[in-house]
Amino acid sequence: AQSVTQPDIHITVSEGASLELRCNYSYGATPYLFWYVQSPGQGLQLLLKYFSGDTLVQGIKGFEAEFKRSQSSFNLRKPSVHWSDAAEYFCAVGASVISNFGNEKLTFGTGTRLTIIP
Amino acid sequence: ETGVTQTPRHLVMGMTNKKSLKCEQHLGHNAMYWYKQSAKKPLELMFVYNFKEQTENNSVPSRFSPECPNSSHLFLHLHTLQPEDSALYLCASSQAGASGTDTQYFGPGTRLTVL
Repeated sequence: AQSVTQPDIHITVSEGASLELRCNYSYGATPYLFWYVQSPGQGLQLLLKYFSGDTLVQGIKGFEAEFKRSQSSFNLRKPSVHWSDAAEYFCAVGASVISNFGNEKLTFGTGTRLTIIP
Repeated sequence: ETGVTQTPRHLVMGMTNKKSLKCEQHLGHNAMYWYKQSAKKPLELMFVYNFKEQTENNSVPSRFSPECPNSSHLFLHLHTLQPEDSALYLCASSQAGASGTDTQYFGPGTRLTVL
């Protein structure tokens, strides 16, 4: 079964600074990878996803993520954060191979809470 | 209304009450999901419906009872809940039922408090 680790529970950055949120996954084949963002009191919104092809993926709101197979990582980056980026960020991995058990689930990490200081 | 909507947004109930959560998706999707989000824990998938048929029950206690009358509506019936069931319950939908690969679209959630 797949798993996701987001090693940073909470990150604080200054407005205008660059950001990198870490995500490591465990999965035997090529994974489907997602980053979602959750603002307070809201559901999850998809930022970007990786299925195949170019390993640098562009998303909404100026975010990008890079898939590195050798490191089993899919880190999220933004060159300059805005106060509105304060939220919780979730990395998720899905299976590209259907097992004998049928549909595989989307597995989420525990999230990284991002605080922006002026 | 667009996207995925959930009602109510907040619910407080006693352990002996019976209540229902409602989810509606306006995206023309065929799969719908219930997740439980508790503090400091990953999202827990509870149920999956694909073309109105339940395809996943992730060992959820019977005090949670889902219902999917059509591809646009999903309910979660609650009865005899425990305080540890207090959480944010999220509904999601996707085009098809491949929950590991489809992009899922989430509603805002229902914040449930069990007294």
